[in-house]
Amino acid sequence: QVQLVQSGSELRKPGASVKVSCKTSGYSFTSYAMNWVRQAPGQGLEWMGWINTNTGNPTYAPGFTGRFVFSLDTSVSTAYLQISSLKVEDTAVYYCAKDGPSVVIPFDFWGQGTPVTVSS
Amino acid sequence: SSELTQDPAVSVALGQTVRITCQGDSLRSYYATWYQQKPGQPPVLVFYGKNGRPSGIPDRFSGSSSGNTASLTITGAQAEDQADYYCNSRDSSGDHQLFGGGTKLTVL
Repeated sequence: QVQLVQSGSELRKPGASVKVSCKTSGYSFTSYAMNWVRQAPGQGLEWMGWINTNTGNPTYAPGFTGRFVFSLDTSVSTAYLQISSLKVEDTAVYYCAKDGPSVVIPFDFWGQGTPVTVSS
Repeated sequence: SSELTQDPAVSVALGQTVRITCQGDSLRSYYATWYQQKPGQPPVLVFYGKNGRPSGIPDRFSGSSSGNTASLTITGAQAEDQADYYCNSRDSSGDHQLFGGGTKLTVL
């Protein structure tokens, strides 16, 4: 069965960096794009962008350029989200979500989420 | 417009029917997708496309669309349907994804 397992919760100080992993299994990793979604405390879902798991080419949503980097390690079917120069307002749960088998199914399976807390 | 608008909160009596709506210009061109999220859990896909329901999702969940408005209807709401519901579609350019602000459904 399809599984997306994310790394555990993180606590960082402002200005630091964090790297979140999303290890997948149960499907062909390079056949479906991977998306990243942010959910701040008590807030809604916010699409951060996606990465083509075949080419490694990332696309970032407005507001997620510069400090956010999507990457892959196809040898272990894992996607990564790195955030640098962390700000308090980056405190959120970060989800990876794979594309579905059709353009009408953007996110069919989700990771369990990785809470990132940025606090001095 | 690059926004999807949802009512923040809706309530329904147990066993009754409720419609959750999502408005946005991009819905004239793209189908909405609907996700259910319960506290402390990731979202779950509940409806997609014209009439798509993933395996395991009860058939009391259905979707429809007209003009710039998409709807998720729950016919015979159950206590376990109490959750936040998010709509999603591409933006008008087709290059990016959008989420609505979410609707908190309370089952009374």
